[in-house]
Amino acid sequence: GNSVTQMEGPVTLSEEAFLTINCTYTATGYPSLFWYVQYPGEGLQLLLKATKADDKGSNKGFEATYRKETTSFHLEKGSVQVSDSAVYFCARHDNYGQNFVFGPGTRLSVLP
Amino acid sequence: DTAVSQTPKYLVTQMGNDKSIKCEQNLGHDTMYWYKQDSKKFLKIMFSYNNKELIINETVPNRFSPKSPDKAHLNLHINSLELGDSAVYFCASSQVADTSPLHFGNGTRLTVT
Repeated sequence: GNSVTQMEGPVTLSEEAFLTINCTYTATGYPSLFWYVQYPGEGLQLLLKATKADDKGSNKGFEATYRKETTSFHLEKGSVQVSDSAVYFCARHDNYGQNFVFGPGTRLSVLP
Repeated sequence: DTAVSQTPKYLVTQMGNDKSIKCEQNLGHDTMYWYKQDSKKFLKIMFSYNNKELIINETVPNRFSPKSPDKAHLNLHINSLELGDSAVYFCASSQVADTSPLHFGNGTRLTVT
């Protein structure tokens, strides 16, 4: 099927800790992949994207690499801040349509 | 400002009522969407329109009816509201290209009592 799977949250980290949120996908073809972030009370914002295999998306210290071999797009950040507390969604775009499929979201809480 | 804007931000209403949520985008995008986010933050697509034409219509009760008067607007009308309709509804838009991301509005929190 076509789906996106993320690690279950919530994830609680101390400030300056290393973050990894796992994401794997299934799809026909090679879809563009995205990470979105949703801060409390707000809509989803694009965090980063990668459009082909081995591409690395990066923004605000976050990175994710498109791994075709493992069908993964794990989100990483070397040193999280309290302001990174939010819900993170992995998503894929289907090259054969105009549909976006979202993972279930992972809530991150960063403690001072 | 260029954005996806939806109104109202909050909507509290009683069961059985009919309500509408409006959405407008000034990004020049061809495609607009409605998503429903439940209390566990799961996002589910409801509808998608491309240039005023319905292209995605997921399994949604027919009490929900989208209307797109032009490609910059996609409104959502809900008849006979039920308790289970309580959720946050997000409008979004994108350009027609397989690398283009979604741009979201800030959501409408619907509470049915």
